[in-house]
Amino acid sequence: QQPVQSPQAVILREGEDAVINCSSSKALYSVHWYRQKHGEAPVFLMILLKGGEQKGHEKISASFNEKKQQSSLYLTASQLSYSGTYFCGTAKAAGNKLTFGGGTRVLVKP
Amino acid sequence: NAGVTQTPKFRVLKTGQSMTLLCAQDMNHEYMYWYRQDPGMGLRLIHYSVGEGTTAKGEVPDGYNVSRLKKQNFLLGLESAAPSQTSVYFCASSYFGAGNSGANVLTFGAGSRLTVL
Repeated sequence: QQPVQSPQAVILREGEDAVINCSSSKALYSVHWYRQKHGEAPVFLMILLKGGEQKGHEKISASFNEKKQQSSLYLTASQLSYSGTYFCGTAKAAGNKLTFGGGTRVLVKP
Repeated sequence: NAGVTQTPKFRVLKTGQSMTLLCAQDMNHEYMYWYRQDPGMGLRLIHYSVGEGTTAKGEVPDGYNVSRLKKQNFLLGLESAAPSQTSVYFCASSYFGAGNSGANVLTFGAGSRLTVL
C-alpha cells in the first residue's frame, strides 16, 4: 500500500521553510527520501531507520515518528535548487523493496 | 563509473508491438528494480530481482515480463504494448548487506520514455 504524502504541491519564496509529510498505515522499518528534478532521475537524499533518528542533508532534515508511522521532511531557508518533486519511499523490513508515495512538487521562487 | 544505464531513452510503439528495455549496472548490486512513473502516481514497482536468475512481481506487473540472466543486467519486456503502458520507466539497483543496516538505498537510471499509440 502506497504511503500518503502531503501536501501534493507547495510554492515557496527563497528563504522560506516548508514541511512535507509521509504517512503509512503499516509498521515501517525505514523511510527514504528522494528528490527528482524535472526530466531527471530521482536522487537519494536520506534514510531514516526505525528508532526515530533525525537526519540532515544541507538544510534539509527529516524525522521519523514510529508511533504515528509518519516521516516529515523539513526544507529550511529554501534555495532555488530545492525545487523538484520529493518522494518518500517506505520499507516494512530490512532489505525490503520500497513503496513510494505520490510525490510532493516543490517550487522555490526568487 | 556509469552507475545505472537504461536503453533506449525514448521509444514510440504501436499498440500490439513488443519491445525490451535494457538496464545495466556496474556497481555489483544484488538487487534491481523496474518502476514506472505516471503523473500524480509516483513511482510504482513493476518487477524486481534480488539476485541473478531470480525475479518477483511488484505492485503493477501485468503486461510486463522480466529476466535477470546476468547480475549486471535486468530486462523489462512488453509482449503486446497497450496505450496504458505509456509511461516513463525507471530502472534502479541497490546493495543490501550486513554493513548498511538494511538501508537498501536505490540508484536510479536516467529513465526511458515510452509512448504507445
